[in-house]
Amino acid sequence: AQKITQTQPGMFVQEKEAVTLDCTYDTSDPSYGLFWYKQPSSGEMIFLIYQGSYDQQNATEGRYSLNFQKARKSANLVISASQLGDSAMYFCAMRETNRDDKIIFGKGTRLHILP
Amino acid sequence: DSGVTQTPKHLITATGQRVTLRCSPRSGDLSVYWYQQSLDQGLQFLIQYYNGEERAKGNILERFSAQQFPDLHSELNLSSLELGDSALYFCASSVDGTGREKLFFGSGTQLSVL
Repeated sequence: AQKITQTQPGMFVQEKEAVTLDCTYDTSDPSYGLFWYKQPSSGEMIFLIYQGSYDQQNATEGRYSLNFQKARKSANLVISASQLGDSAMYFCAMRETNRDDKIIFGKGTRLHILP
Repeated sequence: DSGVTQTPKHLITATGQRVTLRCSPRSGDLSVYWYQQSLDQGLQFLIQYYNGEERAKGNILERFSAQQFPDLHSELNLSSLELGDSALYFCASSVDGTGREKLFFGSGTQLSVL
């Protein structure tokens, strides 16, 4: 079974609008971490944001925020005021800290920002 | 620049051959991860090393092997290459491979098997 599910293979969003990228995860481990990475067309992997399973507040990093709904096992990335440079592939990932610490990635969502 | 160095950037080889991909982690990072990214499979975790010891194993084929050396650099060896092994191979590092640390990724090695 997939541990990380990203149901949106592609999205088109108008510049300056907010965008939500969906991510659901599956784990029985009470201690885990959730990550979002961005991969632009140049290919590098860029860390965006992290949320720990015991964190009380939703994580925020500049224009990025993570809508963490633990009961629903959901960790959606919200990008506010989207920019053309946000066009990229976005990956959600999870580490189960009581298992073997490997970080598993979802299949990604390709985001296109339209001018 | 993430501080993680991967060489070579591109590699073109033939089926049946063997190649070695190299990764130097960020200074001070003890943990190294290898991932394979292909169009249809996304980012697949292969293997993780911490301070020279294997810590976690993913969907790594028996034809593939890796190791981390005392100077903490790591090598991924791919043998008896098949067309389906063509992919972008990423190395990533973190301080100790646990908890909250994010991974810092190298720029990847693009492997083309012809």
